[in-house]
Amino acid sequence: GQQVMQIPQYQHVQEGEDFTTYCNSSTTLSNIQWYKQRPGGHPVFLIQLVKSGEVKKQKRLTFQFGEAKKNSSLHITATQTTDVGTYFCAENRDDKIIFGKGTRLHILP
Amino acid sequence: DAGITQSPRYKITETGRQVTLMCHQTWSHSYMFWYRQDLGHGLRLIYYSAAADITDKGEVPDGYVVSRSKTENFPLTLESATRSQTSVYFCASIGLHYEQYFGPGTRLTVT
Repeated sequence: GQQVMQIPQYQHVQEGEDFTTYCNSSTTLSNIQWYKQRPGGHPVFLIQLVKSGEVKKQKRLTFQFGEAKKNSSLHITATQTTDVGTYFCAENRDDKIIFGKGTRLHILP
Repeated sequence: DAGITQSPRYKITETGRQVTLMCHQTWSHSYMFWYRQDLGHGLRLIYYSAAADITDKGEVPDGYVVSRSKTENFPLTLESATRSQTSVYFCASIGLHYEQYFGPGTRLTVT
């Protein structure tokens, strides 16, 4: 079935370095959502992108939706230890939200 | 504002037993969902419900049963638990702008 593919699966970065995770689909996405899950916690909604080429920022986080609406990215500038966790992209389609497998971010102090 | 609560938070049960995981939301959201989360598989949809008395299968429904007699409650039952059902289970609902709100999760171990 429809699935969004996320890469990389894991990422280790030095504190202060930038981080990017990518979400790709073989078909056109209706929208893309991003969630963050801290270790031991539950997923928390970050943002939803709907328009082709849309870019949204939340402090150090920048979210982009591709022009063809087949990919999306989340970029974190100057990572901090509080950014540790797993980042999921997801698509809301037919009243269901289908998640990618996530990118687990580790921060090295 | 309690949001979504799940109980129990932790459960250990034996193979073959029936176990029910509870989910309660205080927002009167129409849509509710059950996911399981396993390493390497991300979040997989088990069942979802569009409203009271309306439920539908997700990606991995086998071995699970749901009901939704009231809007605020969406229990998930494992009729005869198996070891492969050891997982973390999340209940969720959808808000006005299709953002999903998750409960704290239930960590289930089947021995």
